[in-house]
Order: sequence, then structure tokens, then C-alpha cells
Amino acid sequence: DIQMTQSPSSLSASVGDRVTITCRAGQSISTYLNWYQQKAGKAPKLLIYAASSLQSGVPSRFSGSGSGTDFTLTVSSLQPEDFATYYCQQSYSSPYTFGQGTKLESK
Amino acid sequence: EVQLVESGGGLLQPGGSLRLSCAASGFSVSNNYMTWVRQAPGKGLQWVSAIYTGDRTFYADSVKGRFTISRDNSKNTLYLQMNSLRTEDTAVYYCAREFHSGSLDYWGQGTLVTVSS
Repeated sequence: DIQMTQSPSSLSASVGDRVTITCRAGQSISTYLNWYQQKAGKAPKLLIYAASSLQSGVPSRFSGSGSGTDFTLTVSSLQPEDFATYYCQQSYSSPYTFGQGTKLESK
Repeated sequence: EVQLVESGGGLLQPGGSLRLSCAASGFSVSNNYMTWVRQAPGKGLQWVSAIYTGDRTFYADSVKGRFTISRDNSKNTLYLQMNSLRTEDTAVYYCAREFHSGSLDYWGQGTLVTVSS
């Protein structure tokens, strides 16, 4: 199985901040990397697919980059509704493993 | 409008069996890749199983041989048959539709399975 490691595990930030979350794959996964946002008690929501493609309806302040083993999710200017947990997921080979999550909290 | 609605969760003892259902609307499960993902209380997401066109199926090692994914095209419903349940299978189970490059674009609300003696 491909191991996915996110950093940091938690992050405190303020509205308006620029925030970056990193995801590292245990082997090269090309650009088969997806990002999700999950709020408490809710299902995950797809933000970014194929490393850098913005899902329809997702605000443009979210962006993704990377290829191979190293990927980033950036929020250019945090909004109050962005405080949540974020997960990366590789879809290069089954099982499509997730990272452990990054909890983004208000400072 | 695309919608996924899970049902069938509950409380049961170790060794028991349960079948989860995921009723789809707004699209056809027969010509989409479908996935089950679970989340133990307070933990992260874990990919469980997927079914592709041609009924190819895939499983996480932790459930292989115990869980079976299937679909009923006439009911437009996805299933997860879970046998020989263990306490570590306790989780909210989500069904999801696979989108571009293996991403999951639509998710159900989840159904809670609790395995406890």
C-alpha cells in the first residue's frame, strides 16, 4: 500500500492568512492526488483532483500543486468557513489511501 | 441532482453480519465506479472497497475475505455486505462516486456501524 503523510497534523491560523498543507507519498504517484475538506459530523468534500484541478464550485482561494511524491494544498486567504480538517488521497493504485489529516483551527 | 443515501448501520456483536445500502439518484451506479470509505470515531478516512465497470472489485487488506461490495442496477443501489465483524470495524461508513482520476466527488451522509460486546 502507498503511505500518505500529511504535515502538519494541526495548524492554527487567522482569517486572511495564507496557509499551506503538505502531503508526501511513499512512492511516485504522478499527479493522482486529491484533496478533501471535512467539517465535523459531515461527509468529506472534494476540493482538488489530479493534484491541481479545482473541483466545480470550490472557491478559487484553494489551489493544489505537485507531482511525483510531494504535493501541497494552499488556501490563499483563509475565510471563517475554511476551518476544518483536510485530507489528501492518492488514486494511483488500489487501495486508494488517505493521509492522516490536517486540522486547521482558528488562532 | 446527484444524491447518495446510506442505510443499514447499527449496533451488533463481534462476529456478526450486516449489509449496508447506498441508494443513488441523479446518476446510474451501473456505469460509474463506486467506493466505500469508513471513518472510525475521532479518526481519519480509510478507503474500504470499490466496484468498477465489469464488476471488478477491490478491497482493503483489513476487510478482504470478510466484506463484499456489490450493486443492484435495477434498484440503482450499492451494497456492502460485512461478515465476521470486529470491534475495529466500528466506524461511519460512507459511499461515494468516483470522479476524475480516482477522486470522489459525491458522498453520502454516512451510516454508523458499531461493533461491541
